[in-house]
Amino acid sequence: GAGVSQSPRYKVAKRGQDVALRCDPISGHVSLFWYQQALGQGPEFLTYFQNEAQLDKSGLPSDRFFAERPEGSVSTLKIQRTQQEDSAVYLCASSSRGSLTYEQYFGPGTRLTVT
Amino acid sequence: DQQVKQNSPSLSVQEGRISILNCDYTNSMFDYFLWYKKYPAEGPTFLISISSIKDKNEDGRFTVFLNKSAKHLSLHIVPSQPGDSAVYFCAASNGGTSYGKLTFGQGTILTVHP
Repeated sequence: GAGVSQSPRYKVAKRGQDVALRCDPISGHVSLFWYQQALGQGPEFLTYFQNEAQLDKSGLPSDRFFAERPEGSVSTLKIQRTQQEDSAVYLCASSSRGSLTYEQYFGPGTRLTVT
Repeated sequence: DQQVKQNSPSLSVQEGRISILNCDYTNSMFDYFLWYKKYPAEGPTFLISISSIKDKNEDGRFTVFLNKSAKHLSLHIVPSQPGDSAVYFCAASNGGTSYGKLTFGQGTILTVHP
């Protein structure tokens, strides 16, 4: 079966540009998470969706970051006016509601480099 | 404030021997713990987990031990194989959030030599 997919895999943006990162979760998975992973660090939580509802956006670092999941499946993370400190790998993960293990399935990530 | 810490950035082990990866946490509200493995250019892959009501969980070559009083968990891999070479992340979750948001450690690079 298909896993979590993300596109693009690599993105180079000039400082000040807007970017949009896409996540296709596993079909039927209700929960969707975005994480940011800086070089040499573990992933850090950004935001969480249950179906189309964004229930937690406490990890978004600034109001330049915006995420949506309008139909409860595909999600887009948008970063406006990118800065060099936004350079990182952005990971998307999904999980099925009611999972007792909190097990999340991760996509391969999008590596964003801001020059 | 690093709530989940992996204090060893790297570990080198001979094939066939035991690998022990360690993780410490500070938040007593964490009640579920997971280990993920990550290869370069891939996303983290779930390995094994443990609930705070247990002190041990075993799955094949992988065993996770939890010491709640010490706020410490460890992952044992026996026997280690070259294919186990990867970055290992410890992660923790607070059931009170009800949806399993994960807090990760910094990772430990495991190298298994043939």
